[in-house]
Amino acid sequence: NAGVMQNPRHLVRRRGQEARLRCSPMKGHSHVYWYRQLPEEGLKFMVYLQKENIIDESGMPKERFSAEFPKEGPSILRIQQVVRGDSAAYFCASSPPVGGGVQETQYFGPGTRLLVL
Amino acid sequence: AQSVAQPEDQVNVAEGNPLTVKCTYSVSGNPYLFWYVQYPNRGLQFLLKYITGDNLVKGSYGFEAEFNKSQTSFHLKKPSALVSDSALYFCAVRDYRGSTLGRLYFGRGTQLTVWP
Repeated sequence: NAGVMQNPRHLVRRRGQEARLRCSPMKGHSHVYWYRQLPEEGLKFMVYLQKENIIDESGMPKERFSAEFPKEGPSILRIQQVVRGDSAAYFCASSPPVGGGVQETQYFGPGTRLLVL
Repeated sequence: AQSVAQPEDQVNVAEGNPLTVKCTYSVSGNPYLFWYVQYPNRGLQFLLKYITGDNLVKGSYGFEAEFNKSQTSFHLKKPSALVSDSALYFCAVRDYRGSTLGRLYFGRGTQLTVWP
């Protein structure tokens, strides 16, 4: 059973460009979470999605950031007009349906390291 | 609000000695607590979790954690450290309420170094 997949692993963008980060959850998982890790800090929650639904986006910056999890295909985290402060590692996690309870473990992907020049 | 604190940025221990990585939490209800490990340039790997039941939780790679409700702590332990245990360790608490259902709150992490 393949784990959570993220691509690209490394992404370099110039200021003002767009960054698109992709996440494929583990097989059978329908819940996806995105977290951001800034240097020397722990992970900060950004957004929680289910298929075709955004459940909680309260951790997302109000501008330039968006996320989706379509019926088919991976989840996408999109950052428009990137700035240097967006440089960070972005991690995706997935978990089984909440019918299994909130105790369900989130399994993390390897992350995408975004560098904005 | 839910939160966790890892009071030590770094823990150093000799191989073969027991190790402890500390974590304290603050929640308004029942805590769901997790430990993850991160190796350089890798994602987080799940080690163990506490949901309910026995206060001593056993996890992967010989790690265990002790839940202490009165001290609001969830310290990670291992009886005999290995050099390969050297990594960054994160404690996390799960929010189970309403609109913030599902998110994990992470500590800042503790860098564990095990020297030969």
